Amino acid sequence: AQSVSQHNHHVILSEAASLELGCNYSYGGTVNLFWYVQYPGQHLQLLLKYFSGDPLVKGIKGFEAEFIKSKFSFNLRKPSVQWSDTAEYFCAVNFGNEKLTFGTGTRLTIIP
Amino acid sequence: DARVTQTPRDKVTEMGQEVTMRCQPILGHNTVFWYRQTMMQGLELLAYFRNRAPLDDSGMPKDRFSAEMPDATLATLKIQPSEPRDSAVYFCASGLAVWDDRPETQYFGPGTRLLVL
Repeated sequence: AQSVSQHNHHVILSEAASLELGCNYSYGGTVNLFWYVQYPGQHLQLLLKYFSGDPLVKGIKGFEAEFIKSKFSFNLRKPSVQWSDTAEYFCAVNFGNEKLTFGTGTRLTIIP
Repeated sequence: DARVTQTPRDKVTEMGQEVTMRCQPILGHNTVFWYRQTMMQGLELLAYFRNRAPLDDSGMPKDRFSAEMPDATLATLKIQPSEPRDSAVYFCASGLAVWDDRPETQYFGPGTRLLVL
């Protein structure tokens, strides 16, 4: 079955630390990949997306993600996090149909 | 700055009552999605529409939930009768599907926080 896994449920970092959040999916075909962020009490906002081309995608707020097809991964990274990055981060995958499958989310807490 | 809007933002009701949630997609978008978010289940797709036609409502409990798009600027999600287990945040998202291989990017509304007592 097609699925999306985010193994890190809760990540706690200090400000200025580097961030990497994992996202893996199970599917051998063509995929389209998204990262969304949900700040406390707010709706989901698109951080970045990958459809094709350069596997290193740059998004808003200094985030980037790398699609590694051989590893079925689309990890989210940021070189230096800020307190305002405290939020929940969702990886979502389109498995060639019209729906998005979301991961369970990773809660990120940044300590000032 | 075009946004998806949802009303009401918060709703508290008693078990057995009817609940109607409304969504106004971004003007020009032709696809509307309804999601439910809970701590236990995360984000679940309930239903979605393309050009006002329902394409998939397999994620929705059929006996009490219904979703419609009376026109291109309004989508509704109705629960009748409501139950405590329906308590969740309901998100609407819209997107523009074009006829190539790329899926639409979904833009989310602020959600309706529903509490059924």
